[in-house]
Amino acid sequence: NAGVTQTPKFQVLKTGQSMTLQCAQDMNHNSMYWYRQDPGMGLRLIYYSASEGTTDKGEVPNGYNVSRLNKREFSLRLESAAPSQTSVYFCAGARAQGWELFFGDGSRLTVL
Amino acid sequence: TQLLEQSPQFLSIQEGENLTVYCNSSSVFSSLQWYRQEPGEGPVLLVTVVTGGEVKKLKRLTFQFGDARKDSSLHITAAQPGDTGLYLCADSGGSNYKLTFGKGTLLTVNP
Repeated sequence: NAGVTQTPKFQVLKTGQSMTLQCAQDMNHNSMYWYRQDPGMGLRLIYYSASEGTTDKGEVPNGYNVSRLNKREFSLRLESAAPSQTSVYFCAGARAQGWELFFGDGSRLTVL
Repeated sequence: TQLLEQSPQFLSIQEGENLTVYCNSSSVFSSLQWYRQEPGEGPVLLVTVVTGGEVKKLKRLTFQFGDARKDSSLHITAAQPGDTGLYLCADSGGSNYKLTFGKGTLLTVNP
């Protein structure tokens, strides 16, 4: 049982490049989330998907897009990366009513 | 927008000492969660508290929820190096799906 799996774990981009962070869960979670974690800023919600087929903005959505491909997969796309998007990105899942978040191990992104 | 304030921001202690970290909210908590995050990993849920005045124990960890449901504390007895990590509190703020996190307390327990 892998839980929540994120790929890649590390990525270096140049300003203006695009990339997609992948997240897959095998825990039958209905809702999925993308957070970013920066020093001194804590975890901030970028986008979430309450259920398959729906997505909504979180606290810091600018510069990102998401796709809930199916119940298992939730991807985060940076269309034109900026240095301000250098961060550690965490995907998480939860059952709709249980509220406990299960996190992946993070993807560390550096934008030069 | 709900704000969760955690204190202290950093804490470094020796093995065997006791410690308490705090989480305070600008509004009443809906359902407060405490997570621990170890280096290089994602946060892991420790406990959820819902009722004002509630106390929960998890081995050497004691979680308290204030009567007014606007503050919470985590007390660790006889800290061990394995307790090292970032302790985060989080609350839904009444939202069905969105969880807001505090900035965390970074605890280092030295052998």
